[in-house]
Amino acid sequence: DSGVTQTPKHLITATGQRVTLRCSPRSGDLSVYWYQQSLDQGLQFLIQYYNGEERAKGNILERFSAQQFPDLHSELNLSSLELGDSALYFCASSVQGASGYTFGSGTRLTVV
Amino acid sequence: DQQVKQNSPSLSVQEGRISILNCDYTNSMFDYFLWYKKYPAEGPTFLISISSIKDKNEDGRFTVFLNKSAKHLSLHIVPSQPGDSAVYFCAASDSGGSNYKLTFGKGTLLTVNP
Repeated sequence: DSGVTQTPKHLITATGQRVTLRCSPRSGDLSVYWYQQSLDQGLQFLIQYYNGEERAKGNILERFSAQQFPDLHSELNLSSLELGDSALYFCASSVQGASGYTFGSGTRLTVV
Repeated sequence: DQQVKQNSPSLSVQEGRISILNCDYTNSMFDYFLWYKKYPAEGPTFLISISSIKDKNEDGRFTVFLNKSAKHLSLHIVPSQPGDSAVYFCAASDSGGSNYKLTFGKGTLLTVNP
């Protein structure tokens, strides 16, 4: 157990629907990062939050949004889902510094 | 535009031999490099890292070499063990920013045969 908890582990939904992925960071970690891993792709950075505030944005679609709550857990909202959104979504947390990254086990999203 | 490239999708080695995984990058702002290991159904786990001020970092059986002029890094695993079989991701960061987002390669599947 890495200490970063992601729920649900698997999600199957239809095109056009909206889903919410949840991440609880490791205790004491203030930064939360979201990454997407599509088939045969490396992990693509989506967005970072630090202590409740958005810190950096990557290749995140406008249909996607995220937030970090006062208890530091984060949610990634994906709407108007398309088949191409099927992927593994990873959350990671850190106190500071890239070497401190701890990843969760991911949520596998399948859009049918 | 892929800024971090792992050109070998897979690598197979015999137990006890050396595994060498390669990674190239194009962004000269990258100054911190990491290797992550990933088993199926698990998230990536941090393995070893190197700062651009060094050219080598060693941790047990794992050594990372950095050649800044060639924008190339490699991970050496000696001796390789069957438990090392996993997908290895190379990642890079520009620590000049206030965030630490990582840019990942597509990964190399290492298979260590008994």
